[in-house]
Amino acid sequence: NAGVTQTPKFRILKIGQSMTLQCTQDMNHNYMYWYRQDPGMGLKLIYYSVGAGITDKGEVPNGYNVSRSTTEDFPLRLELAAPSQTSVYFCASSYYNRAPSNQPQHFGDGTRLSIL
Amino acid sequence: AQTVTQSQPEMSVQEAETVTLSCTYDTSESDYYLFWYKQPPSRQMILVIRQEAYKQQNATENRFSVNFQKAAKSFSLKISDSQLGDAAMYFCAYRRGDNQGGKLIFGQGTELSVKP
Repeated sequence: NAGVTQTPKFRILKIGQSMTLQCTQDMNHNYMYWYRQDPGMGLKLIYYSVGAGITDKGEVPNGYNVSRSTTEDFPLRLELAAPSQTSVYFCASSYYNRAPSNQPQHFGDGTRLSIL
Repeated sequence: AQTVTQSQPEMSVQEAETVTLSCTYDTSESDYYLFWYKQPPSRQMILVIRQEAYKQQNATENRFSVNFQKAAKSFSLKISDSQLGDAAMYFCAYRRGDNQGGKLIFGQGTELSVKP
């Protein structure tokens, strides 16, 4: 069982370039998330999705876009890369059926992105 | 808005000794979940332990246990018989209990070093 898979693991971008961070999960989880982790800080939520076709903003959505066309995939798009987007990006997923639910989020291994 | 605070940026423990990591949170919700995640240098996010707010009994997982004080909004992690492999960044996280996307709010993290 692969869990949550993120690609690429590392990437260097030039200012103004665009790219898509890929995330796929094989656990049939309905909820998926994108977080960013800046040096020495905790993770902050960028976007999340509660199911295919449904996405919503998190705490720090500016400069990013997402889509959720399938249950398995949740790509994160950077349109005009800026130095402030240099960070480590984590994708996560969880299963939610009904409240209460203590199901934890399962994380990918992260993508280290540098924008120069 | 909910917040999570970890007031100890760094902690150190001698191998085989016990260490306690602190976490406080602020919420007006009565139904929520709390988690501790471990992030070793490999950057993976690994679930250590979880606690449901409606449970009075403190959660335990082998050498890891929590001291959950709901009235004080405190959720500390105790690691007993510390091992070299416990060295990592530890994050406390909060999640609302209702169907609001299952988003996690993370603290800033505590870096734990283990001395042989």
